[in-house]
Amino acid sequence: TQLLEQSPQFLSIQEGENLTVYCNSSSVFSSLQWYRQEPGEGPVLLVTVVTGGEVKKLKRLTFQFGDARKDSSLHITAAQPGDTGLYLCAGRNTGTASKLTFGTGTRLQVTL
Amino acid sequence: GAVVSQHPSWVICKSGTSVKIECRSLDFQATTMFWYRQFPKQSLMLMATSNEGSKATYEQGVEKDKFLINHASLTLSTLTVTSAHPEDSSFYICSTTRLAGGLNEQFFGPGTRLTVL
Repeated sequence: TQLLEQSPQFLSIQEGENLTVYCNSSSVFSSLQWYRQEPGEGPVLLVTVVTGGEVKKLKRLTFQFGDARKDSSLHITAAQPGDTGLYLCAGRNTGTASKLTFGTGTRLQVTL
Repeated sequence: GAVVSQHPSWVICKSGTSVKIECRSLDFQATTMFWYRQFPKQSLMLMATSNEGSKATYEQGVEKDKFLINHASLTLSTLTVTSAHPEDSSFYICSTTRLAGGLNEQFFGPGTRLTVL
């Protein structure tokens, strides 16, 4: 079973602070996706990274895929209350084309 | 816009009854759909992969006779929780993949919250 460990599990910060969420595995993934989920809703896709070392930016969010395609990070600059939610990384297996393995999740709370 | 829809968004049922949840792909055909379950404060766990016109593939530990999956058309997959019990109470989410910008990306429905009394 491929495991994706996220850290930290929970993060409570004040508006304006920066933060980084890590997603680590011992397995190699063909691609990795980051999602944000709010209570009572399905996950919403934020980004997909495919190439080792790839960096993608989405406004204040910066996503990086590790060189070996085993890990990824999400950095948020100047967090806002609207960033509050559950952040999930999900890796797509190199063997089976369409199966996603989800990370353990990071719950972020941004307060005023 | 939304890529996947689910119905109902929430359901409450008595123990021992069966509940059907529908998942539809919007404006595109989905030969494969995925069913996930999420318990409070936990991540998503894949239950099964639904294939149009053939039997679903279940993950280890998921009872295929309890969680019946039917994928009769390219836009609809259903999950039926048979003889539901309180421990089946959970958030059920379906998902499908679609090519977008050359990437095979996975999109999720809004989820169905099942409460079994």
